[in-house]
Amino acid sequence: ILNVEQSPQSLHVQEGDSTNFTCSFPSSNFYALHWYRWETAKSPEALFVMTLNGDEKKKGRISATLNTKEGYSYLYIKGSQPEDSATYLCALPTGNQFYFGTGTSLTVIP
Amino acid sequence: NAGVMQNPRHLVRRRGQEARLRCSPMKGHSHVYWYRQLPEEGLKFMVYLQKENIIDESGMPKERFSAEFPKEGPSILRIQQVVRGDSAAYFCASSPQGAGLNYGYTFGSGTRLTVV
Repeated sequence: ILNVEQSPQSLHVQEGDSTNFTCSFPSSNFYALHWYRWETAKSPEALFVMTLNGDEKKKGRISATLNTKEGYSYLYIKGSQPEDSATYLCALPTGNQFYFGTGTSLTVIP
Repeated sequence: NAGVMQNPRHLVRRRGQEARLRCSPMKGHSHVYWYRQLPEEGLKFMVYLQKENIIDESGMPKERFSAEFPKEGPSILRIQQVVRGDSAAYFCASSPQGAGLNYGYTFGSGTRLTVV
């Protein structure tokens, strides 16, 4: 069993604010880390796959960094918009399965 | 290009009945995964299948649960003699090859099972 933790559990920000949240994982036997965005009543949607220590990925206003030595990844959202409201999941593949964190629920207040 | 299709979206069953959940993977994907989300918990792995083969069912409860992915047709997750504790959201995901390093999942929208 792989313990994947995300913090904070939930977050409320004003429109236009930048924000970030954390995914923590055991640094031993790291293989890859996946970030997903999950809007209410929809299916989780892939954001990033990160594999190398020091990786930085960017998609529009969303970016992510990876530190495999200390076992964490940050997801950043610059200038949050109401459409960014969703739950953000990280997941680590091990063997035939992914271990998911419980997610960070982001609400952007207009 | 349809994504992963799950049906039904919502399913209500009485205790003791059978529940059948269907999943059609994305076109071109031959790897199917089932995950369950219990209330207040994260997504938990249940089973990994390829066409006509169960590759890993280590996350499936030993009794009452079964899964298949026949040569033709959707993958089916079957729960026999459902109990209240089976109430959860069941998600199917697919990938073109084994997911992990280079491939992530494409998820369906889930089936929300309620046992009354």
